[in-house]
Amino acid sequence: DIVMTQSPATLSVSPGERATLSCRASQSIRSNLAWYQQKPGQAPRLLIYGASTGATGIPARFSGSGSGTEFTLTISSLQSEDFAVYYCQQYKDWPLTFGGGTKVDIK
Amino acid sequence: QEQLVESGGGVVQPGRSLRLSCAASGFRFSDYAMHWVRQTPGKGLEWLAVISYDGGNQHYADSVKGRFTISRDNARNTLSLQLNSLRAEDTAVYYCVRPTLVYNWFDPWGQGTLVIFSS
Repeated sequence: DIVMTQSPATLSVSPGERATLSCRASQSIRSNLAWYQQKPGQAPRLLIYGASTGATGIPARFSGSGSGTEFTLTISSLQSEDFAVYYCQQYKDWPLTFGGGTKVDIK
Repeated sequence: QEQLVESGGGVVQPGRSLRLSCAASGFRFSDYAMHWVRQTPGKGLEWLAVISYDGGNQHYADSVKGRFTISRDNARNTLSLQLNSLRAEDTAVYYCVRPTLVYNWFDPWGQGTLVIFSS
């Protein structure tokens, strides 16, 4: 199975600051990576697919980059509604696998 | 709008089974493969099963193979997951999710239904 490792587990950021989240795959997944945001009590919401393409309705402050085994989700200027948990997911191989998540909280 | 609504969760005792359902609306259900994903505090998000658009093919995670069965009724726009031989580690929120027609990223997600194993 492809193991997805996210870091850090928790990221403390002040509103307006930039947040950089990492996701590493145990083997190359090319660009077959999605990012999701999850707020308490809600289902995950798709943010990014194809490693760098924003989903419909996602603000431009969210951007994704990377390919192969190293990926990054960047939130350029954190808004109050962005404090949440973020997950990456690979869809190159079966079984589909998720990272353990990065919690972005208020500094 | 495109929507998925799960139901059927609850408290399950040893030896009992449970059947989860997912009602789809706002899109042509019969065009899409469909998946189940679960979330536990300990293991995070875990993909469980996929069924092809016509129900002819299914694929499972090793952790549930032989215990869970995914099925669909395209006439009723409904996806199901039969949970048998439940274990403590099956306690989770179960989500019904839709991929794209080609790729397996998920959008939308249902709101989830909670299954609690109680001995």
